[in-house]
Amino acid sequence: QKEVEQNSGPLSVPEGAIASLNCTYSDRGSQSFFWYRQYSGKSPELIMFIYSNGDKEDGRFTAQLNKASQYVSLLIRDSQPSDSATYLCAPGPRNTGKLIFGQGTTLQVKP
Amino acid sequence: EAEVAQSPRYKITEKSQAVAFWCDPISGHATLYWYRQILGQGPELLVQFQDESVVDDSQLPKDRFSAERLKGVDSTLKIQPAELGDSAMYLCASSSQYQEETQYFGPGTRLLVL
Repeated sequence: QKEVEQNSGPLSVPEGAIASLNCTYSDRGSQSFFWYRQYSGKSPELIMFIYSNGDKEDGRFTAQLNKASQYVSLLIRDSQPSDSATYLCAPGPRNTGKLIFGQGTTLQVKP
Repeated sequence: EAEVAQSPRYKITEKSQAVAFWCDPISGHATLYWYRQILGQGPELLVQFQDESVVDDSQLPKDRFSAERLKGVDSTLKIQPAELGDSAMYLCASSSQYQEETQYFGPGTRLLVL
């Protein structure tokens, strides 16, 4: 079993729709969870992070965490073509700094 | 806005040659990371520094890769000799000791080994 699993996609949604990106992880010791966006040929950029169970909202983005199910998701509301990118999930144990990245899910938002 | 700097941005080399990549983290960031990202995969940590000390190099192929951060600021990653399988994006990231898990990435160096 991989440490972090994401569906590689591509996930295709129409403009204005909600995109739902999912990630499961195997290390129950993971305390923090990061979502990065990576455009083709570019480096990852941090979108948001979440530490606590439940939802965390930031603009059009909502991260959802369920530690009991070892599941974290990212919702993008009102998807825009500029959201088309690969989204990387990265759980990390607290106090070590080490992040384990999933392979990423490619999102395509069609105008 | 402060950024992580990397150079070169692109490097083409022949196998068996030596290559070196440079990274300058965000000012004041004590922790520096080198990642390798193969096309279609997520970044994989090669080495992590806390100031000038190596914290984690468990995934660094030490027979050919070396990394240093002599003064605890900028860092160099070297490959000698380069192999075809080393073709990838090499990413540097840094984080503050006060927000140690939020990592900020540089633009990366894309390496092609022929």
